[in-house]
Amino acid sequence: DIQMTQSPSSLSASVGDRVTITCRASQDVGNGLDWYQHKPGKAPKRLIYTASNLQTGVPSRFSGSGSGTEFTLTISSLQPEDFATYYCLQHNIYPYTFGQGTKLEIK
Amino acid sequence: EVQLVESGGGLVQPGGSLRLSCAASGFTFSNYWMHWVRQAPGKGLEWVSRINNDGSSTRYADSVKGRFTISRDNAKNTLYLQMNTVRAEDTAVYYCATFSDHGWGQGTPVTVSS
Repeated sequence: DIQMTQSPSSLSASVGDRVTITCRASQDVGNGLDWYQHKPGKAPKRLIYTASNLQTGVPSRFSGSGSGTEFTLTISSLQPEDFATYYCLQHNIYPYTFGQGTKLEIK
Repeated sequence: EVQLVESGGGLVQPGGSLRLSCAASGFTFSNYWMHWVRQAPGKGLEWVSRINNDGSSTRYADSVKGRFTISRDNAKNTLYLQMNTVRAEDTAVYYCATFSDHGWGQGTPVTVSS
């Protein structure tokens, strides 16, 4: 199975900060990677699909990049509503696998 | 408005069975592959299973292969997950998901305990 390693596992940041989360795949997954935001009690929300495409309706402060085995999610200027847990998902090779999550907390 | 509404979760004894349902509306259900994803208490997301749009192809995580069965009824716009021989480690919130613009449901909790 492909292992998706996210870093950091947790992050403390302030409103207005620029934040980058990294996801590394144990094998090449091409651009078959999405990023999700998950808040407690809510459905996970897709932010980025196929590595770098912004989901309709998602603010432009979110961006994604990468291909192959290394991917990044960047939030250019944190807003209060961005504090949540973020997951990457590789959907190129079965079984699909998520990263372990990055919990973004308010400093 | 797109909606995915899961149901059928609850308390089940180890070794027992449960069937989850996911009712879809607001989009052409029969055009989309569908997935089940779960989140155990205090843990991250885990992909469970996938079915293609006409139900002819399915895939499973190793952790549920041979015990869980995904299916769909496109006439009823409904996705199912038949869970057999459940174990304590199957305790989780189960989400149905499109992995597309049409998002995920809110989830249904499953607790496996005696």
